Amino acid sequence: KQEVTQIPAALSVPEGENLVLNCSFTDSAIYNLQWFRQDPGKGLTSLLLIQSSQREQTSGRLNASLDKSSGRSTLYIAASQPGDSATYLCAVRQGSGGSNYKLTFGKGTLLTVNP
Amino acid sequence: DTGVSQDPRHKITKRGQNVTFRCDPISEHNRLYWYRQTLGQGPEFLTYFQNEAQLEKSRLLSDRFSAERPKGSFSTLEIQRTEQGDSAMYLCASSSPPGRAGGEKLFFGSGTQLSVL
Repeated sequence: KQEVTQIPAALSVPEGENLVLNCSFTDSAIYNLQWFRQDPGKGLTSLLLIQSSQREQTSGRLNASLDKSSGRSTLYIAASQPGDSATYLCAVRQGSGGSNYKLTFGKGTLLTVNP
Repeated sequence: DTGVSQDPRHKITKRGQNVTFRCDPISEHNRLYWYRQTLGQGPEFLTYFQNEAQLEKSRLLSDRFSAERPKGSFSTLEIQRTEQGDSAMYLCASSSPPGRAGGEKLFFGSGTQLSVL
């Protein structure tokens, strides 16, 4: 059974700081990995999707890396802003087997960027 | 608005009542998913549709839960005889057909927050 863990559970940083969020997964046979952002009481917004054959993806100030063999991904946020404050969720999709439609999520990292 | 739409946004009900939620996916998406999220947890998979066919159901989906997607368009999720443990955010997501550049990215709606008293 796939398990996804995110560290830290919460992070508070001053504006302008660069930061890294970590995600680990127990079964390396994944199809892809996605990072989502969730604002309080809202749905999820997809930030970056990394296919299993890729090493990283970039979008603006965000960079996500994937090391499938070690079961790890990181989300790097450069020059953080108060508007980045949200919960960041990592999710993996299995590459084989019967349940390859669903995403397995971590519990998220609650990020607060202080002005 | 061309995103995933869910209705209602909030639902408060008494234990034992039936509730129904609706999800309208992005129009060209043929895949539709329901997830459930409780406070402090990541979303958990409930069920998946490809067009009108329900291809997978989680063991979390007890016999009190039923989901439909008639004609492969909107979907409904019904909970019968609600229990306090059903209180959660119910999220719907849709995705484009596989094979497109960039992989299958899921687009989520804003969710329906259910409170069972």
